[in-house]
This record gives sequence, structure tokens and C-alpha cells, in this order.
Amino acid sequence: GAVVSQHPSWVICKSGTSVKIECRSLDFQATTMFWYRQFPKQSLMLMATSNEGSKATYEQGVEKDKFLINHASLTLSTLTVTSAHPEDSSFYICSARPGQGASRSNQPQHFGDGTRLSIL
Amino acid sequence: GEDVEQSLFLSVREGDSSVINCTYTDSSSTYLYWYKQEPGAGLQLLTYIFSNMDMKQDQRLTVLLNKKDKHLSLRIADTQTGDSAIYFCAESNSGFQKLVFGTGTRLLVSP
Repeated sequence: GAVVSQHPSWVICKSGTSVKIECRSLDFQATTMFWYRQFPKQSLMLMATSNEGSKATYEQGVEKDKFLINHASLTLSTLTVTSAHPEDSSFYICSARPGQGASRSNQPQHFGDGTRLSIL
Repeated sequence: GEDVEQSLFLSVREGDSSVINCTYTDSSSTYLYWYKQEPGAGLQLLTYIFSNMDMKQDQRLTVLLNKKDKHLSLRIADTQTGDSAIYFCAESNSGFQKLVFGTGTRLLVSP
């Protein structure tokens, strides 16, 4: 159980293109999902917390107009990298925490397999 | 802010035990986790421990927590080549909210 699917797994596109990454919880509902960025041989950096039905909470230094997050349902969150440039190339990973409201308080985060984004 | 540190690299022989260490600074950490990341993949939750516990064992995995020293360790018994990966410790201080990750330890298991 607790499977998180991320799509696409790898995308290569030209500079200036907008890219959408999907994160789905397949066998559970998740009020909260998280988006991370990972540079080569480095740790994960939390970009934003995605809350179903409300605005995402962005970490300091992350441009919310650059990285648009939508969490329209309890099983889907999307991250759109707008007008992507080579410096946006990275490995993006989402996670989801099972449960809704108070029931989520005892559930750890489960991660997707990541999306490798390469901007030419 | 919170800081989580790990040694960068560990090399062991197949069949030996591996011990991966982690230190953290946030004294209000509630939960501490160990995740495994294989090349090009996401993170797999291995185990986690609540801060009022000293030890947790799950098959080949043993987690030890020294809350006084803010030190967490993961012991893998009978390490196999399939255990080669990067291991991240992480902490959170408010019931599975934001995770703060360590730098990751690359474990290499040789035959």
C-alpha cells in the first residue's frame, strides 16, 4: 500500500517551455503533498507544501510564479515549471502523506520515483 | 534552523553489518526517519522512530536513538549488494509535517 506515482519520469525540452509534473497517490487519499528538488549528489530541498483545495505554502527562496502548484483533488497534485530555463534542470520528487485532517497525524510521507527535468 | 548531518560514504563487504550515523540539532524533533534512494529513483521509507523510543528493530534493520546527544543510527545486519544505495535520515518536529533531510550517506557493498 501507500504508492505514489509521479509522471513523467524524464522530460527533455527547450528553454522557454512550461513543463507539468503530476503526483498521484494511487491507493490512498492525501490532503497534503510535498514537492522537493534534488541536485546531483545532494540532499532533498523542500520547495513547497501542497494542500488540497487551498494555496500551496512555498519555502523561502522558491518563486511561486515560477513553480505553480495545484492540488485539485485528494489524489493529485501538479507542479508546473513555467518558462523553464537550463538552471531549472534538476530531479523533482513529490511525496504524499496518507489521511485527511486529524487522521493524517500518524502517517509518514511516501515518495514518488521522481522526475528528471532537462532543459536544453 | 534545523540541521541534519551524515557521513558521506560507507563501504562494507557483503555479509558484514553496516552502521550509518546521523546527528541533528533540533531538540524538538518528534519523529526521525530513514529513507533509501537507489540511483535515479525516489525515496523508499525504511523505518522511523518516535522520539520517546531508544530503539526500534525491523528484520535486518535496527534504529538506535540517543536523544541526549541528538544522534541517530541505522544498523543493517548481513548487508547485501542490493543494499547499495544512498541512505537519508530525516527529522520532523510536528507530527509528520515538514521533513528536514540529512546530506545522505552513500553505502557501497562489495561482494
